[in-house]
Amino acid sequence: DTGVSQDPRHKITKRGQNVTFRCDPISEHNRLYWYRQTLGQGPEFLTYFQNEAQLEKSRLLSDRFSAERPKGSFSTLEIQRTEQGDSAMYLCASSISLYEQYFGPGTRLTVT
Amino acid sequence: SQQGEEDPQALSIQEGENATMNCSYKTSINNLQWYRQNSGRGLVHLILIRSNEREKHSGRLRVTLDTSKKSSSLLITASRAADTASYFCATDAGLDSSYKLIFGSGTRLLVRP
Repeated sequence: DTGVSQDPRHKITKRGQNVTFRCDPISEHNRLYWYRQTLGQGPEFLTYFQNEAQLEKSRLLSDRFSAERPKGSFSTLEIQRTEQGDSAMYLCASSISLYEQYFGPGTRLTVT
Repeated sequence: SQQGEEDPQALSIQEGENATMNCSYKTSINNLQWYRQNSGRGLVHLILIRSNEREKHSGRLRVTLDTSKKSSSLLITASRAADTASYFCATDAGLDSSYKLIFGSGTRLLVRP
């Protein structure tokens, strides 16, 4: 399977704990995006990497959130001191062209 | 608020019927895309229409774009139960160099067998 993969698919954590998600993009794709989707809504942009450089961060990305893409390959999204409002689906997408993005299956986070 | 807004929010049709979903957006765009999402899954790219195009076809899908009205429609012909999903329009942010996508809240389509 050469699509975008995300791990884990589901994560349940207690409020205050830290969580980390991983995204493996399609191998030749230099652009990588993180989105967050809450129930009944469309995805909202969180952050964008071109190769290893994080070029844009949404205001949604509070200082509890950090994302990395070392070596321009896989990416991680970490949430520190999770809150119940962080419960959502976290989607990763990659692209090589300017427009079409390929999405992974997402990581569903539940904060109890 | 999100750039794209779909209408209707939910649509229920019989298998074999056509389904039409509409999307409105607010600012200038380079292109508009439609994605499908099955329940609890990732998004699948369906079709992209550029700002200088007015209509595009892909299999049973037909997309129109009216930049003067800042609106687009997605028509699914001869629907199948497998078309049951949420459909989102997504626009780029115009001059934004990240080409991040801005999604609407989606239309939930139910195709009854």
